[in-house]
Amino acid sequence: AQKVTQTQTSISVMEKTTVTMDCVYETQDSSYFLFWYKQTASGEIVFLIRQDSYKKENATVGHYSLNFQKPKSSIGLIITATQIEDSAVYFCAMREFMNYNQGKLIFGQGTKLSIKP
Amino acid sequence: EAAVTQSPRNKVTVTGGNVTLSCRQTNSHNYMYWYRQDTGHGLRLIHYSYGAGNLQIGDVPDGYKATRTTQEDFFLLLELASPSQTSLYFCASSDRGWGETLYFGSGTRLTVL
Repeated sequence: AQKVTQTQTSISVMEKTTVTMDCVYETQDSSYFLFWYKQTASGEIVFLIRQDSYKKENATVGHYSLNFQKPKSSIGLIITATQIEDSAVYFCAMREFMNYNQGKLIFGQGTKLSIKP
Repeated sequence: EAAVTQSPRNKVTVTGGNVTLSCRQTNSHNYMYWYRQDTGHGLRLIHYSYGAGNLQIGDVPDGYKATRTTQEDFFLLLELASPSQTSLYFCASSDRGWGETLYFGSGTRLTVL
């Protein structure tokens, strides 16, 4: 069975610095997709960035990037030049390619990020 | 931007009560999901569907039923609510299955006394 684990419960960093959040996953499938989502203080959950398992290049979107280490089953989220509004809970998630109609998204426990001014 | 609307926003019921949580998406997405969020567990998948009339079992389905009446509407039913079902519930939708971004609703906070 697939599993996603985020061991960092909370992280606090100073504004304008770089932070990395860890995520490890377990899967039996050779093809899968990895995602990071952000939950703001208001409770809203939004998609941030995605990594396809067959791609060797790390995905980058704005000041978010991924550190994909497939042999270690690891997908870290890197936020550079952090801003106060980056304070949120970040979820790592994985979807196996079971078949076209039955892919389900499994989430980790979440990491609470606090940015200090 | 995809729109997913959940109702009610808050609900309080008693043990043994009957509760229905509603979700509507207006972007013609095929997939809809119900998750619950609890501290220490993140988001856990209850049920999901890839079309009207279809239902797939998630990872924590016990005590929950779901029904997808139309492409737009997905309901979560708790027929005998228990305190362990006190949680924050999220509905989400996506256009296709694997590899696609999920769009989340604002959540329903359910308290079972």
